[in-house]
Amino acid sequence: SQQGEEDPQALSIQEGENATMNCSYKTSINNLQWYRQNSGRGLVHLILIRSNEREKHSGRLRVTLDTSKKSSSLLITASRAADTASYFCATDLLNYGGSQGNLIFGKGTKLSVKP
Amino acid sequence: NAGVTQTPKFQVLKTGQSMTLQCAQDMNHEYMSWYRQDPGMGLRLIHYSVGAGITDQGEVPNGYNVSRSTTEDFPLRLLSAAPSQTSVYFCASSLGGKAFFGQGTRLTVV
Repeated sequence: SQQGEEDPQALSIQEGENATMNCSYKTSINNLQWYRQNSGRGLVHLILIRSNEREKHSGRLRVTLDTSKKSSSLLITASRAADTASYFCATDLLNYGGSQGNLIFGKGTKLSVKP
Repeated sequence: NAGVTQTPKFQVLKTGQSMTLQCAQDMNHEYMSWYRQDPGMGLRLIHYSVGAGITDQGEVPNGYNVSRSTTEDFPLRLLSAAPSQTSVYFCASSLGGKAFFGQGTRLTVV
C-alpha cells in the first residue's frame, strides 16, 4: 500500500517561479526523502530529512517536515527548465523489515517548467 | 565510479518464459533492493537484501526470486513471466537510508 501521497499530481509553472510540492504519509518514519526522476530514467536522491528535523536546505531546495501532521513539503526556488521532472517523496518506515534503506514511495508530482 | 548498473536496459519476453535481471553495484553498500514502477505509480518494493546471504520480501514479491551471494550483485529472477509483470524495474543500493538507483530495465511480457 502507498505510504506517501504527493500533491499536486501535476504542476506547470514558468521559469523563475517557485514550485511547491507536498507529501503526506500515514505511519511513523525514520526519515523522509525526496527524489527526482527525469523521463524514463532512474531516480536521483535530492534531500533527506530525519524525523527529528523540521527544515532542511540544499541549494535551491527547501524541505520541511511536520511529524504531527505527517506531512512534508518540497520547495524549489527560482525554477529552471532543467527542473522539469517527476518528484517523489519516500519514507523509510520505522522498523519496516527491521532495516533502514527500504523505501515506500508516493505516486509523484509531475513538474513542468516552461522557459 | 559506475554506481548501480542494471542489464539489460530493454527486454521482451513471452508469457511463461523465465529470465534474470542483473544488478551490480561498486559502492560496497550492504543494502540492495528491487522496485517496479508502473505507469502513474510510484515505486513498489519487490525484494530487498541487508547483506550477502540475506534476502527478504517487500510489498509485491510474488512471481520473483532473488539471491545475494556477493555484496556487489543482486539479481532478480522472473520464474514464469506474466503480462502483469510488464513494468520498469529499478535496482538500488542504499547507504545511511539514501538509495542510489540504476537506470532501469524496461520489461514487456507479451
